[in-house]
Amino acid sequence: GAVVSQHPSWVICKSGTSVKIECRSLDFQATTMFWYRQFPKQSLMLMATSNEGSKATYEQGVEKDKFLINHASLTLSTLTVTSAHPEDSSFYICSARSGRRINTEAFFGQGTRLTVV
Amino acid sequence: AQTVTQSQPEMSVQEAETVTLSCTYDTSENNYYLFWYKQPPSRQMILVIRQEAYKQQNATENRFSVNFQKAAKSFSLKISDSQLGDTAMYFCAFSEGSQGNLIFGKGTKLSVKP
Repeated sequence: GAVVSQHPSWVICKSGTSVKIECRSLDFQATTMFWYRQFPKQSLMLMATSNEGSKATYEQGVEKDKFLINHASLTLSTLTVTSAHPEDSSFYICSARSGRRINTEAFFGQGTRLTVV
Repeated sequence: AQTVTQSQPEMSVQEAETVTLSCTYDTSENNYYLFWYKQPPSRQMILVIRQEAYKQQNATENRFSVNFQKAAKSFSLKISDSQLGDTAMYFCAFSEGSQGNLIFGKGTKLSVKP
């Protein structure tokens, strides 16, 4: 299957600082990328959907000014957690799909464990 | 709103035996896809199997098969000849709409015992 690389795998940051997470599709062009958040022993919650070249669509309850998503190219999307607080500590996962059709398989990155201290 | 329900938080099975994980969903759409994903301790999400709603034939992938009951909105996963490497969290997921974003169930933690 196709490869989606997410970086960093883990990051620790101080409260009040910002941290950027990158999601790259290595061998295909990602028309659509998704960002999820996963709390310990819980399911994946969709945060936002982004299509290349357009603004991300955020799910209800997700602060777009706090979780900035950029999908400037067909191979790269970034999630920036701004002014991070301990409650933002979580596991963040991206996935990418090469087509817009819903039957196109979505491939997942390895995830990023964010710890805000 | 679409929902996906997995009623079994945890299950265990002996190696080489068969286990079935249940999943139900709710939607008013007619065109959608259903998936089972596996998340091992590494936390990498891996697609196990998928089913198109318009297909009546149940999908199979080697030791993995589904029992898709569209009218009942049920989508269970059967794992045959369970192996130790099957130990993982299993998530049922639903995809529809123009974006095709995945909606996940809460997961079932499967332990395969030697």
